[in-house]
Amino acid sequence: EAQVTQNPRYLITVTGKKLTVTCSQNMNHEYMSWYRQDPGLGLRQIYYSMNVEVTDKGDVPEGYKVSRKEKRNFPLILESPSPNQTSLYFCASRTGDQEETQYFGPGTRLLVL
Amino acid sequence: QQPVQSPQAVILREGEDAVINCSSSKALYSVHWYRQKHGEAPVFLMILLKGGEQKGHEKISASFNEKKQQSSLYLTASQLSYSGTYFCGTEKDNFNKFYFGSGTKLNVKP
Repeated sequence: EAQVTQNPRYLITVTGKKLTVTCSQNMNHEYMSWYRQDPGLGLRQIYYSMNVEVTDKGDVPEGYKVSRKEKRNFPLILESPSPNQTSLYFCASRTGDQEETQYFGPGTRLLVL
Repeated sequence: QQPVQSPQAVILREGEDAVINCSSSKALYSVHWYRQKHGEAPVFLMILLKGGEQKGHEKISASFNEKKQQSSLYLTASQLSYSGTYFCGTEKDNFNKFYFGSGTKLNVKP
C-alpha cells in the first residue's frame, strides 16, 4: 500500500528540548515536503526536498531543520522548540512526474509548553 | 504569494452545485486542489498545469485560466461526502515552493 508515515502522531514537549519528527514514504518519490497547519493560516510549507541531499526553504523555515540522506526519509528537526511552533505538521511526497498525486502523511500534532 | 480563495465558506443542500475560486497575483506553473476532512490529512483531487485546461472526475471538475491566473473547482450535484475544507495549492515552477490558499469550508446538508 502506497503511504507516507509520520512519527510520533502526538507529542507534548517543553521549550528548548530538541525533537525530531520522522517521515517515511514507500513510493520511491523524489519530492518531499513538510507543512504546518494552523487555524486561520492554513497550510504553509516549511521545507522541501527535490531529491537526496537537495533541500530548500519553503515559506516558514525559521526554527526548523531537515535532512534527506535517503530517498524514503525526510525528518523534521526542531533544535530548540518554542510555543509558537505548536501546530499540526504534515509530511508529503510526490514523484518527479508533472501530474502525479501529492500524498500526505497522517499528521503530527505538536504541543510545546 | 499565497493564493486567494473564495468563498471562505459554503452551505449546500444535497444535490446543489458549488464553485470555489482560487487566484494568484503571480504566474503559475500548476494549480492543485485538495479536500481535507476534520482531523484528517488533505487528499489530492486533481492538478492543472499551465496552458489552460479543464479536468474532471466523477462530479468534481476544475479549470485553469492561465491568462487570469485563476482556477475554479466545480462540485455538481453535491453529496454529503463532499463536506470538508477545500484548498487550492499553487507553484510557479515545477516542484518548487508550494503555497496553499486559506481554504473553503463546504458543508453539505441532507
